[in-house]
Amino acid sequence: AQKITQTQPGMFVQEKEAVTLDCTYDTSDPSYGLFWYKQPSSGEMIFLIYQGSYDQQNATEGRYSLNFQKARKSANLVISASQLGDSAMYFCAMREVTGTASKLTFGTGTRLQVTL
Amino acid sequence: GEEVAQTPKHLVRGEGQKAKLYCAPIKGHSYVFWYQQVLKNEFKFLISFQNENVFDETGMPKERFSAKCLPNSPCSLEIQATKLEDSAVYFCASSQSLAGMFARSTDTQYFGPGTRLTVL
Repeated sequence: AQKITQTQPGMFVQEKEAVTLDCTYDTSDPSYGLFWYKQPSSGEMIFLIYQGSYDQQNATEGRYSLNFQKARKSANLVISASQLGDSAMYFCAMREVTGTASKLTFGTGTRLQVTL
Repeated sequence: GEEVAQTPKHLVRGEGQKAKLYCAPIKGHSYVFWYQQVLKNEFKFLISFQNENVFDETGMPKERFSAKCLPNSPCSLEIQATKLEDSAVYFCASSQSLAGMFARSTDTQYFGPGTRLTVL
């Protein structure tokens, strides 16, 4: 089974509108971290936001917020007031805290296109 | 430094040649990770280090890939006898910590700009 599922290969949003990028995950570990990264066409991976499984509140960072629904195992990224510079690939990732495992497991990404 | 640095930005090798990639983690970060991105949306974990010690090498194809993190030197990832399927972007990432029992924000992995390896 896929550990991280991003079901939207591509999304369009108009400038200044909000958009939600979906991410569901699968783990049996009680402790894990969830991350969102942005990859613009230039190729670098930019960290956006982190949510820990025991965090009581949903994470927010500026225009980014994470809609964390633990029982549903979803961690959707909400971008408010979209800007043209938000056009990029967005990856959801998870790190399970188990043994010596250290890796991030990534979803396949969602390509976001912001239009005028 | 404040960012993860990777060199070179691009590397072209003929099949069978050696490739060596370098990474300098963020100052103060104890953990270094290597990932391979193929087909623009698939990330494969290769190896991680805690300082100069291998922490997790479960993703390393050991026949041709090796990696090191030595004190006072950039970390390196070396591919002996490259194959066409090694063509990918190789990312290095670093983190301040790695959670023992509970996930923490300091586990966040910050990525370098990547090295694009093309094997002809």
